[in-house]
Amino acid sequence: QKEVEQDPGPLSVPEGAIVSLNCTYSNSAFQYFMWYRQYSRKGPELLMYTYSSGNKEDGRFTAQVDKSSKYISLFIRDSQPSDSATYLCAMNRGRNTGFQKLVFGTGTRLLVSP
Amino acid sequence: ETGVTQSPTHLIKTRGQQVTLRCSSQSGHNTVSWYQQALGQGPQFIFQYYREEENGRGNFPPRFSGLQFPNYSSELNVNALELDDSALYLCASSRDNEETQYFGPGTRLLVL
Repeated sequence: QKEVEQDPGPLSVPEGAIVSLNCTYSNSAFQYFMWYRQYSRKGPELLMYTYSSGNKEDGRFTAQVDKSSKYISLFIRDSQPSDSATYLCAMNRGRNTGFQKLVFGTGTRLLVSP
Repeated sequence: ETGVTQSPTHLIKTRGQQVTLRCSSQSGHNTVSWYQQALGQGPQFIFQYYREEENGRGNFPPRFSGLQFPNYSSELNVNALELDDSALYLCASSRDNEETQYFGPGTRLLVL
């Protein structure tokens, strides 16, 4: 079993839709949770960063972490064609455990049609 | 503020050869991590360098090695290349008091 599970998609939605992207994980030691956006043939770009459980909002993006369920989500409101990309969830135990090792999901490919 | 840069952007090698990939960290960042991303997969952690020392390693064989220089730039070396080494190699930098990592554009390696 992988430490982090993520549906690879593709997820196809019309422009303006609310998008929900999710990951589940098995290691309860994870404390820091991130979402990256990766366009084709580019490096991942950090979108959201959350520590422990709770919600965080930034513009059209909202990240949620439920540590009791080992489940994290990214919501995108008013989705745009420019949001079409692969979205990667990532998490780590924290630098105070020795070193930073981000563990990634496989990524979900999102397609937003005009 | 200059972001993470990597060179070269693309590289083609044959099986058994050796390759060196380079990374310049973002300004103010002293930690560099390397990841391998196979097609259709998430990045996999190779190792991390802090203060010119390797301070963490993923499940990769010893033929994957690295260096970090006093200016915090870094190299990834891969010896005895195998076909399965074909992937996007990503460098990420961070500050030692922060958990977030910022990625470069990657080097796409093809082993024939």
